[in-house]
Amino acid sequence: SAVISQKPSRDICQRGTSLTIQCQVDSQVTMMFWYRQQPGQSLTLIATANQGSEATYESGFVIDKFPISRPNLTFSTLTVSNMSPEDSSIYLCSVNRDMANTEAFFGQGTRLTVV
Amino acid sequence: QKEVEQNSGPLSVPEGAIASLNCTYSDRGSQSFFWYRQYSGKSPELIMSIYSNGDKEDGRFTAQLNKASQYVSLLIRDSQPSDSATYLCAVNSITTNAGKSTFGDGTTLTVKP
Repeated sequence: SAVISQKPSRDICQRGTSLTIQCQVDSQVTMMFWYRQQPGQSLTLIATANQGSEATYESGFVIDKFPISRPNLTFSTLTVSNMSPEDSSIYLCSVNRDMANTEAFFGQGTRLTVV
Repeated sequence: QKEVEQNSGPLSVPEGAIASLNCTYSDRGSQSFFWYRQYSGKSPELIMSIYSNGDKEDGRFTAQLNKASQYVSLLIRDSQPSDSATYLCAVNSITTNAGKSTFGDGTTLTVKP
């Protein structure tokens, strides 16, 4: 398994501001992902964080709104920019050890409320 | 059609009964299949993975995979109140999805004492 530290665990933010969420893994991992989980819903993939290159975004998500950094194989950040109440959700960092088996391990999640 | 569909819940079973959770997927190139358990307010945790046709048992949990029918299931024997949670089915395809997981909407299980 992988130990993933995600912070902050929760935040209440004013609309129009930005929040950066950090994800730190205890060992080098190939793949890191950012998910959103809205209340009562399943996980929706926002993007794949690629080390050394731009993130790969899923349909409906754009870099200007959700800029992602991945400076090395153990760390990534997701920024939620220019927030609105619709961005209120749980954001989850996830890692796979490698491309072979793709079992996902999750951080504790960040519960974001935008007021 | 959703890529991963789970049987609609919520599912309620009495303590000690068998809980059966089902999942179908649309991508025939899928190679890896997972069941995650998510307690309310917590993040998902992996409980079972299965990669080849047939059954895989781990304690009270049995995962079943039928690639021809594009079907994967999870059986929980001797269900306990602590099994009450949302169960997420996830499917991966290295070739088409670059290792990304596609999740179903989840089935909420309640085990009544």
